[in-house]
Amino acid sequence: QKEVEQDPGPLSVPEGAIVSLNCTYSNSAFQYFMWYRQYSRKGPELLMYTYSSGNKEDGRFTAQVDKSSKYISLFIRDSQPSDSATYLCAMTILSWGKLQFGAGTQVVVTP
Amino acid sequence: DTGVSQNPRHKITKRGQNVTFRCDPISEHNRLYWYRQTLGQGPEFLTYFQNEAQLEKSRLLSDRFSAERPKGSFSTLEIQRTEQGDSAMYLCATDEDGSYNEQFFGPGTRLTVL
Repeated sequence: QKEVEQDPGPLSVPEGAIVSLNCTYSNSAFQYFMWYRQYSRKGPELLMYTYSSGNKEDGRFTAQVDKSSKYISLFIRDSQPSDSATYLCAMTILSWGKLQFGAGTQVVVTP
Repeated sequence: DTGVSQNPRHKITKRGQNVTFRCDPISEHNRLYWYRQTLGQGPEFLTYFQNEAQLEKSRLLSDRFSAERPKGSFSTLEIQRTEQGDSAMYLCATDEDGSYNEQFFGPGTRLTVL
């Protein structure tokens, strides 16, 4: 079993809808949680960063972490076609060091 | 361009050949990471450097793989006697002390082993 599980999708939504993404993990030592966006044949780019449990909002993006359930989420409001990409969750034990990634969820936002 | 750069962007080689990739970090970033990503998967950690010291290597990094960061600036990743299973995207990422793990990724080098 992988340390970080993420549904690969694809997840197809109409423009303007809310996109809901999530990951589960098994290692309770993880404390830092990130969401990266990756366009086709590009490197990942950091979207959101959260420490421990709680919520964080940045524009149309909201990240949630529930350490008791070992479950993290990313919500994208008012989705746009330009949001079509693969979204990767990642986590670490320390505030630095190797990232443990999920498999990534492919999101397609249709006009 | 002040981001992480990687060269070459694409590499096609025949099985058994050696290949070398280069990563140039963001200038003030002292930590440098190598990851490998295969189709439909997330990046998998290979190794990382703090300045010129290689501090951690994954079990994925077989004896055919070697990485260096000789002056704590750019890094190279060499694969000897390539195998078809080495075909993947090789990603470099960098961050700096106090950055709370905000790793910045390069565009990657896509390796195809025929």
